[in-house]
Order: sequence, then C-alpha cells, then structure tokens
Amino acid sequence: GIQVEQSPPDLILQEGANSTLRCNFSDSVNNLQWFHQNPWGQLINLFYIPSGTKQNGRLSATTVATERYSLLYISSSQTTDSGVYFCAVEPRNTGGFKTIFGAGTRLFVKA
Amino acid sequence: DTGVSQNPRHKITKRGQNVTFRCDPISEHNRLYWYRQTLGQGPEFLTYFQNEAQLEKSRLLSDRFSAERPKGSFSTLEIQRTEQGDSAMYLCASSLGVGLVKTGANVLTFGAGSRLTVL
Repeated sequence: GIQVEQSPPDLILQEGANSTLRCNFSDSVNNLQWFHQNPWGQLINLFYIPSGTKQNGRLSATTVATERYSLLYISSSQTTDSGVYFCAVEPRNTGGFKTIFGAGTRLFVKA
Repeated sequence: DTGVSQNPRHKITKRGQNVTFRCDPISEHNRLYWYRQTLGQGPEFLTYFQNEAQLEKSRLLSDRFSAERPKGSFSTLEIQRTEQGDSAMYLCASSLGVGLVKTGANVLTFGAGSRLTVL
C-alpha cells in the first residue's frame, strides 16, 4: 500500500520562529489533507490540498503532486501551535475512499 | 450542527468484556470512517461506510471487531472479548462524498474520540 512519510518526527521551536514540515508519499493521490491534533487529542483539518498552494493566516501549504510531496509552513509560531501535525492521503490507484495517515510531526513551541 | 459526536469519551474495562462505541456524524455526511490511534502513532484506518454500506475493512479489524451503520446515520463499533492490546483512542470521522467516483474533495471531519483502556 501507499507509504506516507513525515519529517521531522519532532520539532522544538522558540515562539516567533518559522518552520517547514514535509510529507512524502509513495504513489499518486486523489486527496491530501493536513491535520493538527491538539494536546487533548482533537484532530482539526487545516488544509485540503491535493495540489497547489493555500494560505490560512500564519499557515500555508503547498503540494507538488507530480513529485509526491507536500509542505506545511508555520510562520511566527505561537505556543498554541504545539501538538502533532499529520499529513493524510487518499490513494488514487486503489478502489474506495480510504484515507491513510503519516506518523506525524510532534511540534513543541516554547514561550 | 455540532460536528461529529462520539460516546463515551472514556471507557475503562476489564479484559474479556465487550465494549461499544457510538459515532454520530455530521447529518448531511454520507461517509463515515473509524480509525484507531495508539500513543505516539498516527491514526490507523479500520473501516468506512458509504451510507449504510460498509465498503472496506482493514485487516486490523479482527473478528472481535464489528461496525455497523444502520440506516446510514449513526455508527457503532463493538469490540468483543477485549484484550489489553485494544487499548487505544478510537476516532470517528465523516465526510460528504459524491457517489463512488473518485472526484471531488473528501474532507474528513473528526470527532473527539473514545479512549479505551483495557485492564
């Protein structure tokens, strides 16, 4: 099945710093989403971005589908950005609508 | 609409007991997904429904697990004869999909999860 690899696995930032999280996937995808899981476990959808670039406030994401990767940019990080960021993909070349998650990037933003 | 609702939020049970989790999706969503998440890992796909039809099951879903979605609304996930290895967060998500053709967005909205601890 498709492999979804996220890097780095862990990241510690000083408040105000910028960061880039990466998601590589091993096969063509129909959909790609970025999620943030807060310390209470709630998964929040940040972006639906199968291709192109989107921005939402301090966050932006870019997916280059032909090269099978996506990037999530966090600018001017805040302590509330702490948590785990997941990339999730829906493989194109399999039947059904199963969405597969990567292992995540654990972010801690220090005050 | 209050989003995806899951109950109970926490369940502690003894090994060998049966447990059932309920998920109420966003009312207009036709797809419903169950995932399992263990500490430090990403969510692992278990199964999904389109309306009332269960279209795919992961091999993680052993014969002790059963999921239903009667009438295409809420769903239940039952675990029989629980084992300590079943301890995890069970997550439900729903989405609005268009038919069985792989076009269009399939944006998942997750519930807060049901945390299971098997003693």
